Amino acid sequence: AQSVTQLGSHVSVSEGALVLLRCNYSSSVPPYLFWYVQYPNQGLQLLLKYTTGATLVKGINGFEAEFKKSETSFHLTKPSAHMSDAAEYFCAVSDLREYGNKLVFGAGTILRVKS
Amino acid sequence: NAGVTQTPKFQVLKTGQSMTLQCAQDMNHEYMSWYRQDPGMGLRLIHYSVGAGITDQGEVPNGYNVSRSTTEDFPLRLLSAAPSQTSVYFCASSYGQGYRPGELFFGEGSRLTVL
Repeated sequence: AQSVTQLGSHVSVSEGALVLLRCNYSSSVPPYLFWYVQYPNQGLQLLLKYTTGATLVKGINGFEAEFKKSETSFHLTKPSAHMSDAAEYFCAVSDLREYGNKLVFGAGTILRVKS
Repeated sequence: NAGVTQTPKFQVLKTGQSMTLQCAQDMNHEYMSWYRQDPGMGLRLIHYSVGAGITDQGEVPNGYNVSRSTTEDFPLRLLSAAPSQTSVYFCASSYGQGYRPGELFFGEGSRLTVL
């Protein structure tokens, strides 16, 4: 079975500082990996995804993530945090052997941005 | 463009009552699903559907029923509400298998409290 572990339920950074949200996955086959963002009182929206090909993927709002198979990781980064980045971030994995839309989500990381 | 619409946004039930959470999408998506979100646990899949007339269980299906009579609608029924079903429920839709898998479009959520 697939699983996702997000290290740190809360991360706090200063405005302008580097954002690093950690995600490790478990999968017996090459996975599809995703980051979703949830702003307060809203549904989730896709930030970026890795399917095949280039291991460094870029998403919306300046975020990017790198797929590292040897480390089974898919960490999310942004060089300079903005106040508007404050939200909850979810890493997710899917297994194309079964059905690509059945995502398994991590527990989430709440990002706080301090002014 | 409405996207995924969920109703109601808030509901309070007493133990043993039944109710239906409504979900409708106007994007002609084949895939629809229901997740529940609980603090520290991320999102867990309740039921999903790969097309009209086809449904299947997810990770936490007990106490819930679904049906898919049309492409647009995917209601979630709570048969006899229990306090453990207090949660925020999200409906999500996506394209069919093989086309942009894992790119889910979420509704804004339905917050359910069972007393």
